[in-house]
Amino acid sequence: EAGVAQSPRYKIIEKRQSVAFWCNPISGHATLYWYQQILGQGPKLLIQFQNNGVVDDSQLPKDRFSAERLKGVDSTLKIQPAKLEDSAVYLCASSPGTGGQPQHFGDGTRLSIL
Amino acid sequence: QKEVEQDPGPLSVPEGAIVSLNCTYSNSAFQYFMWYRQYSRKGPELLMYTYSSGNKEDGRFTAQVDKSSKYISLFIRDSQPSDSATYLCAAYGSSNTGKLIFGQGTTLQVKP
Repeated sequence: EAGVAQSPRYKIIEKRQSVAFWCNPISGHATLYWYQQILGQGPKLLIQFQNNGVVDDSQLPKDRFSAERLKGVDSTLKIQPAKLEDSAVYLCASSPGTGGQPQHFGDGTRLSIL
Repeated sequence: QKEVEQDPGPLSVPEGAIVSLNCTYSNSAFQYFMWYRQYSRKGPELLMYTYSSGNKEDGRFTAQVDKSSKYISLFIRDSQPSDSATYLCAAYGSSNTGKLIFGQGTTLQVKP
């Protein structure tokens, strides 16, 4: 079974520029998550999709972050404009459903803001 | 107070030692508990998954949950240098949102 795929693996941009990350979940997984992991911390949920609908985006900084999952499969997370504090690893995870099911993670995109 | 707390370490042990990693949590609604292992520059990898209180064993790994004291533990027997990684505990409740709350992670180094 193929795991969660993410690209790019690394990205370096200057502050105020925009950036986009892509995620393809495990086949058949209805639920997709985007997390932000700052160095030395555990992952923090940014947004959760169930199929192509948003379940939880309470911790997504909506003035600069956006995400979509148009066909209920792959997803894109965008930051515009980027700030220095956005330097982090952005992880995508998926699970078959919700309600306590284990989540499986990709290797993330490491974002550095100059 | 963070909902899930974990000592960041680092924890250094000799090869073959028994390792004990611990977390505490504050939300009594949490019912699902997980341990993830994260190697440098890789994503978290699910190690153990438990529901409610009790023990679960998988090879050299044992997960324990004590809901009465809100305490989560992971034991690694016969630790190997390949076990050197950051270990993240995580928990969530029974709501349909499935919002997983992570601890800070404990960095473990197993020395040959």
